[in-house]
Amino acid sequence: AQSVSQHNHHVILSEAASLELGCNYSYGGTVNLFWYVQYPGQHLQLLLKYFSGDPLVKGIKGFEAEFIKSKFSFNLRKPSVQWSDTAEYFCAGNQGGKLIFGQGTELSVKP
Amino acid sequence: NAGVMQNPRHLVRRRGQEARLRCSPMKGHSHVYWYRQLPEEGLKFMVYLQKENIIDESGMPKERFSAEFPKEGPSILRIQQVVRGDSAAYFCASSPRDDVYTGELFFGEGSRLTVL
Repeated sequence: AQSVSQHNHHVILSEAASLELGCNYSYGGTVNLFWYVQYPGQHLQLLLKYFSGDPLVKGIKGFEAEFIKSKFSFNLRKPSVQWSDTAEYFCAGNQGGKLIFGQGTELSVKP
Repeated sequence: NAGVMQNPRHLVRRRGQEARLRCSPMKGHSHVYWYRQLPEEGLKFMVYLQKENIIDESGMPKERFSAEFPKEGPSILRIQQVVRGDSAAYFCASSPRDDVYTGELFFGEGSRLTVL
């Protein structure tokens, strides 16, 4: 079955540390991938998306993600995290008209 | 985000009762998606509806769960005879069209169901 997986369930970083959250997908064909973020008490928001073209995509708030087809990966990165980045991060891919989400990664940034 | 509105935000039910969760999509949106988030798990797709039509219900449990999106009014996710395993956060999302491929799903803040 087509799936999206996130291997890091909880990540704890200090401010200014670099961030990389893993995301792998299991299907071929047309691949549309997304990262969403959910800040405490808020709704899910789209961080960035990949459809085609440049495999390095830039999102809001300094986030970026790289699509590596050979590794079936779409990892999220940020060079220097802030306390305000504390949130839960979800990777997702489309499957037949609906989004399939990974398990989510909870990021805690220590001030 | 004067967008997707879900209510109630928190709902407590005893086993065997019914739970009704409501979702009003963003203005102008005619597509609604329901997702469930169980503790320690990701968001699981449940159902995709357009006005008066169920498009994809492949993620809905076969029994006790139903969803509708009438011509007028909010979308409703109904869970009959709730059990403790139904305790979860239920998220609604909307889009103006079948727009999953652009990522433009707008999410509500979720309804958290607790079954005692």
